[in-house]
Amino acid sequence: ETGVTQTPRHLVMGMTNKKSLKCEQHLGHNAMYWYKQSAKKPLELMFVYSLEERVENNSVPSRFSPECPNSSHLFLHLHTLQPEDSALYLCASSQDSLVSDTQYFGPGTRLTVL
Amino acid sequence: GENVEQHPSTLSVQEGDSAVIKCTYSDSASNYFPWYKQELGKGPQLIIDIRSNVGEKKDQRIAVTLNKTAKHFSLHITETQPEDSAVYFCAAKKGGGFKTIFGAGTRLFVKA
Repeated sequence: ETGVTQTPRHLVMGMTNKKSLKCEQHLGHNAMYWYKQSAKKPLELMFVYSLEERVENNSVPSRFSPECPNSSHLFLHLHTLQPEDSALYLCASSQDSLVSDTQYFGPGTRLTVL
Repeated sequence: GENVEQHPSTLSVQEGDSAVIKCTYSDSASNYFPWYKQELGKGPQLIIDIRSNVGEKKDQRIAVTLNKTAKHFSLHITETQPEDSAVYFCAAKKGGGFKTIFGAGTRLFVKA
């Protein structure tokens, strides 16, 4: 596969469940991002990893927990979410987070919290 | 705080007409301005970008203009086609930072 892939594409979970979103980039990039996309709102940056180190954490509730085991993979662990967390979660990557600006996005995971 | 205002939120044009989407940014240190197109069920895809040392850039039917003094930048699509129908996002980023600030998006409808 090429580009940025995300699994699952759709996820329905209850507020007491624990689930994880997975992102993989096949571009040889060093930086990876999680965004939340809600209807009629700008993309909200959640986390940034550069060379597997978290460099940005945008006041995201602790019920969202990122993990970056290597520069190709990024996870978002979810637990005790709220209905307002329902959204499209997008992963992106770039060559690095400071110098090269262009981000490449995956298709997203559509999350519904019941 | 930093923000990017994008207008209009919805735009409907006839096939063959031109479409213009405008954005204003607040942080004068911003120096990179990408535009993304998001089709249904897909993530945003970069369609064109411009850096602050350039006033205009064109790629076939798509062009972007930048006015640094006014902190405005615009996307121009000429000879629109039905497949141009999508949501378009503008964004602004400053060098040395991690954060790209996105506009709220413009839903473009091209009527055949």
